[in-house]
Amino acid sequence: NAGVMQNPRHLVRRRGQEARLRCSPMKGHSHVYWYRQLPEEGLKFMVYLQKENIIDESGMPKERFSAEFPKEGPSILRIQQVVRGDSAAYFCASSEDRDEKLFFGSGTQLSVL
Amino acid sequence: SQQGEEDPQALSIQEGENATMNCSYKTSINNLQWYRQNSGRGLVHLILIRSNEREKHSGRLRVTLDTSKKSSSLLITASRAADTASYFCATDYGNNRLAFGKGNQVVVIP
Repeated sequence: NAGVMQNPRHLVRRRGQEARLRCSPMKGHSHVYWYRQLPEEGLKFMVYLQKENIIDESGMPKERFSAEFPKEGPSILRIQQVVRGDSAAYFCASSEDRDEKLFFGSGTQLSVL
Repeated sequence: SQQGEEDPQALSIQEGENATMNCSYKTSINNLQWYRQNSGRGLVHLILIRSNEREKHSGRLRVTLDTSKKSSSLLITASRAADTASYFCATDYGNNRLAFGKGNQVVVIP
């Protein structure tokens, strides 16, 4: 049973470009979460999704950021018109049900030049 | 924002010694979880303690929860060099949004 898979591992974008981060949850997990981590900081919640539904996006910036978890395929975190401040490690996690422990992917390190 | 706060921030110990970290939070929680992160990697879940539990063990790990003081402690006994990592507490307020602290950097010297 493969763990949570994130790709790419590293992503470099120039200011104004789009960044697409992908996450495949563990097999059998229908709950997906995205977190962002800045250097020397803890993780900050961004969004919680279940298949085809956004349950809680209270941690997402209002503009430029969007997330989806389609019926088929991985969850996607999309950042439009990236700025330098978007540079961070983005982690995806999944769980089998609510109120259960999270399994984290290895993260995508986004660098905006 | 509400989140766990770990104390101490950095800890350096000799192999074989015990390491203790504390975490405090602000309001009532559903559960509290401890995670470990090696440099540049994702977080690994260590242990989850629910609000109605006071102590939990898993191998060399011991977690306590004091809801009256809104605090938790993580004890790693007989530390090993491989325990070198950052340790985060995360609080679940019942809305599935885990609130992470800034982490404890633990260095175990062989």
